[in-house]
Amino acid sequence: GQQVMQIPQYQHVQEGEDFTTYCNSSTTLSNIQWYKQRPGGHPVFLIQLVKSGEVKKQKRLTFQFGEAKKNSSLHITATQTTDVGTYFCAGRGGTTTDSWGKLQFGAGTQVVVTP
Amino acid sequence: AAGVIQSPRHLIKEKRETATLKCYPIPRHDTVYWYQQGPGQDPQFLISFYEKMQSDKGSIPDRFSAQQFSDYHSELNMSSLELGDSALYFCASSSTEFHYEQYFGPGTRLTVT
Repeated sequence: GQQVMQIPQYQHVQEGEDFTTYCNSSTTLSNIQWYKQRPGGHPVFLIQLVKSGEVKKQKRLTFQFGEAKKNSSLHITATQTTDVGTYFCAGRGGTTTDSWGKLQFGAGTQVVVTP
Repeated sequence: AAGVIQSPRHLIKEKRETATLKCYPIPRHDTVYWYQQGPGQDPQFLISFYEKMQSDKGSIPDRFSAQQFSDYHSELNMSSLELGDSALYFCASSSTEFHYEQYFGPGTRLTVT
């Protein structure tokens, strides 16, 4: 079945530095979503990528969807203490853009920011 | 803006008891999902409903059942509780209009003793 792997599991970042978390699927995805979960909180939707090679930016966050639609990345520049949390990618299988198959979450990257 | 509502927020049960978790999706959202998240784990998909019909099933134990009612709220029923059922249970909702972006509720923390 579909598996979504995410690395690294932990990321310690100095405030102001950049970092990237990677997401890889064993199968082609119809789309991929990214969520952020603060400690003690619930996952909050960040973005959805649908098209092959798609790149989207949200302020200091840059999201990419691979050409083969099997991998994705989240790059954060100039990390701030507010970036603390766990970032999950979640892939949806199927062959159509609006496929509503179940989301398969990656294990998440737990980000700790040192002032 | 309205968010997903879950109740109760905390629940303590003993082994072999039953529990019912409730979820009220965002108005006009047509799909509801249930997830289980253990400590330090990613959310594990349990089950989903689209327009009150079960649409997909994940790793939901046979001891659990769920349904979505005519007013679109959903309930997750858990019987013969085990210690390993202790976890955070999230409900999420989405809309076909917004390409299934899932909005999570605050979760119910279930502790089985």
